[in-house]
Amino acid sequence: DGGITQSPKYLFRKEGQNVTLSCEQNLNHDAMYWYRQDPGQGLRLIYYSQIVNDFQKGDIAEGYSVSREKKESFPLTVTSAQKNPTAFYLCASRNPSGAYEQYFGPGTRLTVT
Amino acid sequence: SQKIEQNSEALNIQEGKTATLTCNYTNYSPAYLQWYRQDPGRGPVFLLLIRENEKEKRKERLKVTFDTTLKQSLFHITASQPADSATYLCAPVAGTDSWGKLQFGAGTQVVVTP
Repeated sequence: DGGITQSPKYLFRKEGQNVTLSCEQNLNHDAMYWYRQDPGQGLRLIYYSQIVNDFQKGDIAEGYSVSREKKESFPLTVTSAQKNPTAFYLCASRNPSGAYEQYFGPGTRLTVT
Repeated sequence: SQKIEQNSEALNIQEGKTATLTCNYTNYSPAYLQWYRQDPGRGPVFLLLIRENEKEKRKERLKVTFDTTLKQSLFHITASQPADSATYLCAPVAGTDSWGKLQFGAGTQVVVTP
C-alpha cells in the first residue's frame, strides 16, 4: 500500500516541551510539505522540502524545525518557541508529474497544555 | 497580499440536487487550480485540477470551471449524495512556483441530506 503515514494520531504535551511529529512516505516523491490547520482556517504551509538535505521555510515557520535526511522521511519538530502549537498537523508529498497533486497523510492532532 | 475566499457558511443541500461552491482569489495569477475534499479529522484528498487555459473540467459527477477574468473557480457536484458530505478546499497555484507550493482556501462544508 503506497501512501503517507503520520504518527501518532493524537499527541499531548506540556508547555515548554519540544515535540517531534513523524512523517514517512513510500511514494518515491521528492517534494514533501508540512501544513498546520486550525478550526475554520485553511491549511498554512510551515516548511517544505524539494529534495534530500534541502528544505525551505513556508509562511509560518517560526517555532518549527525540520530535517530531510532521507527521501522517505520529513519529521517536524514543534519547539517551545512556538507560541500557539495546539493544532492539526498535516504532512504531504507531491506527485512530480501529471496533475502535481499533493498526497496527504492522516494528520497528527497536537494538544499542548 | 494573495487571498483566497471560499464561502464560510455550510452549504446544505438535498440529495439529488446540484451543489455549487465558489472559490475567489485576489492578487494572484494562478497557472492552475486544484480542488480537494477533506473529511473531518483526515487529510485532504485531491479531486480535480483545472489549468488557466481550460474553461471546464469534468470527472464523474464533478465539474469545475475556471474564469481568469473574474478570478473565480466554481465547483459543482451534480446528483449529490449523502456520501458527498465533506469540506471542499480550493488551491490556486502560481505558475512561477515550480515546486507546487499550495495556498488553500478555508474550505466550504457541504452537507447533503437524504
